[in-house]
Amino acid sequence: NAGVTQTPKFQVLKTGQSMTLQCAQDMNHNSMYWYRQDPGMGLRLIYYSASEGTTDKGEVPNGYNVSRLNKREFSLRLESAAPSQTSVYFCASSAPLGGAEQYFGPGTRLTVT
Amino acid sequence: QKEVEQNSGPLSVPEGAIASLNCTYSDRGSQSFFWYRQYSGKSPELIMSIYSNGDKEDGRFTAQLNKASQYVSLLIRDSQPSDSATYLCAVIAAGAGSYQLTFGKGTKLSVIP
Repeated sequence: NAGVTQTPKFQVLKTGQSMTLQCAQDMNHNSMYWYRQDPGMGLRLIYYSASEGTTDKGEVPNGYNVSRLNKREFSLRLESAAPSQTSVYFCASSAPLGGAEQYFGPGTRLTVT
Repeated sequence: QKEVEQNSGPLSVPEGAIASLNCTYSDRGSQSFFWYRQYSGKSPELIMSIYSNGDKEDGRFTAQLNKASQYVSLLIRDSQPSDSATYLCAVIAAGAGSYQLTFGKGTKLSVIP
C-alpha cells in the first residue's frame, strides 16, 4: 500500500516549456487535490477533483490544467511554465465525504528558469 | 477571504516539556480541523483531526477546539527532539467547497535536548 505517489520528484524547466505532474493513489479515495507550497505563502489549493469526472478550481488555478484520468490518477499540467510557478507541488487524496482527512504525496520540486 | 492564523515561531521547548501550538480561523462556518506535521523537505503528515468542540487525545497529542472563539490548539506532551518540525493548522469550511483545506503558514517547533 503505497498511499499517494507523485512523479517526478524533481524537475527543472525553462520558461515556456510544458510538463505534466503525475499523481496516483491506491487508497480507493474519491477525491484528489493539487497544492503548491511557497516560502511565506504556505500551502495553497490549485485544483481539486471531488469525484471521478469532476474538477474544480481552487485558490490559485491560473496557468494550470488538470485531468482526472480515472479514480486513481489526477495529473497537473503546466502548458507554458513561468518562473512564478517555481514551487513544491503536492498531490493529496481523501475519502468521498466533504470535510474528510486529506493524505499527501511526497511532492515534486519544480524550478522554472 | 477565509484565513487561518498561526504564530510562525520558532517555538522552542526543552525535551520532556509540553509544547502548545495555537491557531485561529476566520470562517465561523468551518466544520473540520486538522493538524499536520511537516519535516523539512518532506510532505505534510496528518497527525490529528477534530470535528467537535472539546478535547481529542491521541497518544502524546491533544487537539482542542473552541468554535465559539474560533480557536484550535495542539498540545504535545513529553516533547521529544523528533517532534521538531513545522506544524500546520488546516480548516475546511462547511457547505459548497467543503473539500477545500485552508492552511495556516505553520509554526516551527524546536525541541531542545
